[in-house]
Amino acid sequence: EAEVAQSPRYKITEKSQAVAFWCDPISGHATLYWYRQILGQGPELLVQFQDESVVDDSQLPKDRFSAERLKGVDSTLKIQPAELGDSAMYLCASSLGGQGRDNEQFFGPGTRLTVL
Amino acid sequence: DQQVKQNSPSLSVQEGRISILNCDYTNSMFDYFLWYKKYPAEGPTFLISISSIKDKNEDGRFTVFLNKSAKHLSLHIVPSQPGDSAVYFCAASKYNFNKFYFGSGTKLNVKP
Repeated sequence: EAEVAQSPRYKITEKSQAVAFWCDPISGHATLYWYRQILGQGPELLVQFQDESVVDDSQLPKDRFSAERLKGVDSTLKIQPAELGDSAMYLCASSLGGQGRDNEQFFGPGTRLTVL
Repeated sequence: DQQVKQNSPSLSVQEGRISILNCDYTNSMFDYFLWYKKYPAEGPTFLISISSIKDKNEDGRFTVFLNKSAKHLSLHIVPSQPGDSAVYFCAASKYNFNKFYFGSGTKLNVKP
């Protein structure tokens, strides 16, 4: 069964360092999402891509976060510099991007970031 | 401003009994609702969905009920099994948009 791949699974870094996360969506999925999930809360959308274009980055802290999906396939989320409050699970999801069940988002296992 | 709320952080149920997880939303434009299940160290997985043209959708042991006037939905699991122990998130969207708003989750513990 096709899955969304993410790496690394765990990342520990010191504040002010740069970190990068990678996501490979399910083949054929046009829409890719990056979420941040803080412990005890639900996933919060950071950025949404339709193919290689950003369609929603309203909740992305653009002073330190950046995301790209250059060829409309895999994607990278970067944080520079990392802050203590960035410690969270970063989830990537993909979907066909249609309506109803085609909207179903398939999630990767996530990257657990700890900033010391 | 949280548009989707799950007010019960945790729920404990005996195996074989019914589990009822609740979710409230504030945005009357939402017309498509989903439940996701999440095990530790894994990403959320889709469980069941319902559109606003229905008030009930059933899939095996899982049934989702939607009360549009109350802006409330619930997930019923009957009978509950220990393998159902997980965190359950409800999510809402507008049908022709693919942005989901998630609740904070309810951790279900099904005791053998």
